Amino acid sequence: NAGVTQTPKFRILKIGQSMTLQCTQDMNHNYMYWYRQDPGMGLKLIYYSVGAGITDKGEVPNGYNVSRSTTEDFPLRLELAAPSQTSVYFCASSYGGGSTDTQYFGPGTRLTVL
Amino acid sequence: KNQVEQSPQSLIILEGKNCTLQCNYTVSPFSNLRWYKQDTGRGPVSLTIMTFSENTKSNGRYTATLDADTKQSSLHITASQLSDSASYICVVSVSGTYKYIFGTGTRLKVLA
Repeated sequence: NAGVTQTPKFRILKIGQSMTLQCTQDMNHNYMYWYRQDPGMGLKLIYYSVGAGITDKGEVPNGYNVSRSTTEDFPLRLELAAPSQTSVYFCASSYGGGSTDTQYFGPGTRLTVL
Repeated sequence: KNQVEQSPQSLIILEGKNCTLQCNYTVSPFSNLRWYKQDTGRGPVSLTIMTFSENTKSNGRYTATLDADTKQSSLHITASQLSDSASYICVVSVSGTYKYIFGTGTRLKVLA
């Protein structure tokens, strides 16, 4: 199992550009999450999904969109990039959403918006 | 306000020594508390998960404790190794939601 994979690893965007961060998991997990990690701050939840076709907002969803057409994939879309979106983005997955379900994280995408 | 605070911010120890990292939280209603290890440039990896009724959980040389009354947790690392150099993150989940409150982590450096 590759676990959770993310592409790209690094990206530099200009203000106003758009891009999609890809996330794929091969563990047949139902739950998937997108987080951002800013320097010196704890991870913040952007969006999450409890299954194919079902998504919901987390704490910091503004400026982002998601879709979940398959169990495996959970892409994150940035429509109009802003410097405030400079961050490291982590995708995670878990089998369930229960109190003992382990979240497995991908390696992250480091995004810089100039 | 739901918050997770960790101390110290950073720590340097010699290989073979033990250390204890602290986590205080004000999250309510509480569901569970997790400790993660995050190597530089990588995603967090789960070490332990504790629910309200558990007060200790071990994973090899890592032992986590939880005092739900005082809302404190600690992560004890025994006989540290160079590979333990990483950030250790405390995370508390809010019961009835998919919300996880992440601490800012403790950066541990183990020297030979």
